[in-house]
Amino acid sequence: GESVGLHLPTLSVQEGDNSIINCAYSNSASDYFIWYKQESGKGPQFIIDIRSNMDKRQGQRVTVLLNKTVKHLSLQIAATQPGDSAVYFCAVGGGSNYKLTFGKGTLLTVNP
Amino acid sequence: DAGVIQSPRHEVTEMGQEVTLRCKPISGHDYLFWYRQTMMRGLELLIYFNNNVPIDDSGMPEDRFSAKMPNASFSTLKIQPSEPRDSAVYFCASSGTEPYEQYFGPGTRLTVT
Repeated sequence: GESVGLHLPTLSVQEGDNSIINCAYSNSASDYFIWYKQESGKGPQFIIDIRSNMDKRQGQRVTVLLNKTVKHLSLQIAATQPGDSAVYFCAVGGGSNYKLTFGKGTLLTVNP
Repeated sequence: DAGVIQSPRHEVTEMGQEVTLRCKPISGHDYLFWYRQTMMRGLELLIYFNNNVPIDDSGMPEDRFSAKMPNASFSTLKIQPSEPRDSAVYFCASSGTEPYEQYFGPGTRLTVT
């Protein structure tokens, strides 16, 4: 079955620095990849997604990179702000259903 | 839009009692998902519906769990009887034309003593 993991369970950065959060997945048939942000006491919030026919997608201050060869996904946050402090999850989907498999999460702490 | 609405936000109950969690998806969304989140297992999909019909319930832990969606604007997740190991945060999410783009509610924190 699908498994999704994260390389770093915690990440601490200084305000203004760039942050990179990584994620590995196991199923080469996966074709949809999403990053979610979860703040304390709240539900996960959709940030950005990418399909398997792309290797990079940019949003506002965020960029997702997909390397299908090594089954690796990353989220880059530019000019990290204290409001970016949260747990970040990658989620992977694919196939004939719309089930997402979530990674365990990375806690990002932004120091002022 | 009010987003996905869940109730109650917190539920504390004793082992053996019936628990019912409620969800109102975003208007117009035709996919609804129930997830469970624990520290040990992370975020797990329990069941999802499309147009009020259950599509995949393979994540439902056991027969004590059941979910219904009687109409497009309401779903319930029921646990009967509840056990301490059911303690978790239960999230409902909905999606529309992009089924993978799921929008989550605030969750229900369930504590079974």
